Amino acid sequence: NAGVTQTPKFQVLKTGQSMTLQCAQDMNHNSMYWYRQDPGMGLRLIYYSASEGTTDKGEVPNGYNVSRLNKREFSLRLESAAPSQTSVYFCASSVIPRGGGTEAFFGQGTRLTVV
Amino acid sequence: GESVGLHLPTLSVQEGDNSIINCAYSNSASDYFIWYKQESGKGPQFIIDIRSNMDKRQGQRVTVLLNKTVKHLSLQIAATQPGDSAVYFCAERDDKIIFGKGTRLHILP
Repeated sequence: NAGVTQTPKFQVLKTGQSMTLQCAQDMNHNSMYWYRQDPGMGLRLIYYSASEGTTDKGEVPNGYNVSRLNKREFSLRLESAAPSQTSVYFCASSVIPRGGGTEAFFGQGTRLTVV
Repeated sequence: GESVGLHLPTLSVQEGDNSIINCAYSNSASDYFIWYKQESGKGPQFIIDIRSNMDKRQGQRVTVLLNKTVKHLSLQIAATQPGDSAVYFCAERDDKIIFGKGTRLHILP
């Protein structure tokens, strides 16, 4: 049981290049999320998907696009990378257990540097 | 707008003592409040959550208290151990999960 898998783990881009961060979960969760984490700061929500076929903007969506490809996969795309997008990106998935609550599981992160 | 924040960026605690990490929130519509632990180089790990209609919930060595009157959340860790050293985040959920900025817990020998 792999949980949440992100690829790649590290990436260096030149300004203006594009790339897609991949995320897959094998826990049959409905909700998936993309966050970024900058030094000394908490995680800021970029986009989320409450269920397959839906996506919504989070706190910092500008410069990003997402695709909920199917229930397992949720990708994040940078169309034209900027140095301000240098960050660690985390994907997460969650489900509401029978007894209620919210238990989100996170991937190991993608460290992205834009030069 | 919505915001979740923390009072202290760094907390130093003697090994064996209890730790109390505080958090303020602003979104009264949140139905769950959550605490995460993040160790260096890793993704956040779920610790415990509390539903908005509760004021206390206990787990293994951890207790979360919720005061809706003043919009305050706290995490208490009993008998703090070296393995508790990490950054702790509070978060809140309505239809999405929003994080606060984090408190680094430093354990003194």
